[in-house]
Amino acid sequence: EAGVAQSPRYKIIEKRQSVAFWCNPISGHATLYWYQQILGQGPKLLIQFQNNGVVDDSQLPKDRFSAERLKGVDSTLKIQPAKLEDSAVYLCASSLDLETSGKLFFGSGTQLSVL
Amino acid sequence: AQKITQTQPGMFVQEKEAVTLDCTYDTSDPSYGLFWYKQPSSGEMIFLIYQGSYDQQNATEGRYSLNFQKARKSANLVISASQLGDSAMYFCAMRERGTGFQKLVFGTGTRLLVSP
Repeated sequence: EAGVAQSPRYKIIEKRQSVAFWCNPISGHATLYWYQQILGQGPKLLIQFQNNGVVDDSQLPKDRFSAERLKGVDSTLKIQPAKLEDSAVYLCASSLDLETSGKLFFGSGTQLSVL
Repeated sequence: AQKITQTQPGMFVQEKEAVTLDCTYDTSDPSYGLFWYKQPSSGEMIFLIYQGSYDQQNATEGRYSLNFQKARKSANLVISASQLGDSAMYFCAMRERGTGFQKLVFGTGTRLLVSP
């Protein structure tokens, strides 16, 4: 079974530039998550999709971050314009069902450095 | 208020010994789930073990067991017979209900170093 795919693996940009990350979840997984993990901290949920609808984006800085999940499969997360404090690893995860065991399957993440 | 608290930033253990990683949580929801994830240096988060709030028995998965003490709101991870490959960051997480859907909230993690 293929895992959660993310690209790019690394990205370096200057502040005020824009950047986009891509995620392809495990086939059949209805729920998709984007987490931000700042160095030395635990992952923080940015946005959660159920199929192609947003169910939680309460911690997404909507003035600069946006995300979409077209057709309920792949997802992109965009930052425009980037700030220094956006430097972090962006993790995408998917799950079949969070109600029972609900374990998440994570991708390897995109490490973003904003200079 | 912190939902998940991991008070040990780092832990050291010798190979073949057991180690306990601490986790306490805070919730008023009677139905919740507790998870442990491992994050090696490669960055990917790997699911280890799950405990439901209504489960009567402590969860076990191979060398991993979860010491669930509901009254104390603690969910410590016990790794038996540590191996060098166990060196990684370990995160405790709790499933809680968000805006109608369940979501996972993580602690700050504990770095485990296994020495030969």
